[in-house]
Amino acid sequence: EVQLVESGGGLVQPGRSLRLSCTASGFTFGDYAMSWVRQAPGKGLEWVGFIRSKAYGGTTEYAASVKGRFTISRDDSKSIAYLQMNSLKTEDTAVYYCTRQQLVHFDYWGQGTLVTVSS
Amino acid sequence: EIVLTQSPGTLSLSPGERATLSCRASQSVSSSYLAWYQQKPGQAPRLLIYGASSRATGIPDRFSGSGSGTDFTLTISRLEPEDFAVYYCQQYGSSPPRLTFGGGTKVEIK
Repeated sequence: EVQLVESGGGLVQPGRSLRLSCTASGFTFGDYAMSWVRQAPGKGLEWVGFIRSKAYGGTTEYAASVKGRFTISRDDSKSIAYLQMNSLKTEDTAVYYCTRQQLVHFDYWGQGTLVTVSS
Repeated sequence: EIVLTQSPGTLSLSPGERATLSCRASQSVSSSYLAWYQQKPGQAPRLLIYGASSRATGIPDRFSGSGSGTDFTLTISRLEPEDFAVYYCQQYGSSPPRLTFGGGTKVEIK
């Protein structure tokens, strides 16, 4: 059974940093791209970014709203994807979902972790 | 950047009725790159349809997707109580690689 479990969310002040983790199980983690998707309270879904599998270079892509501030990385030996969030803004407040990216869509989702950016 | 517009914003229907949800793209989208998700309150989204018309694993056949170009549709043939939720369409753009969602359609009990 595919499982994705996010951790690391919490309350953080504007301008500070936070790192989220996504621990995967039930599939060969290294074979897949992994994405992060967020959802602000009461709002819709917003793609944050993804990291390709090593077979496709392990490179990353980001939404314009987070590019230069957020970094996605992966540790295939541990089956973990990370989202490093720097220079956080109040508008980054959201539930952050880790997803398995099946080429052009998201076939499995974690339960999400809440990040609140507030002073 | 391709923008996805979903309509209506809210659909009020009774169990057993047919639901037709629309997703319109600002530019042509490859059918292979269009997906639909269902989200219930307090839960993560769930993949329903990919490639515009292929049902994901375990999705009942009352859910169907269709469309091409700029107009895509999700149809629920007969609403079950568990189908009342918010539905999102999503597309993949390759140059540069971006994934975008529509604003969602809420299907509520009338």
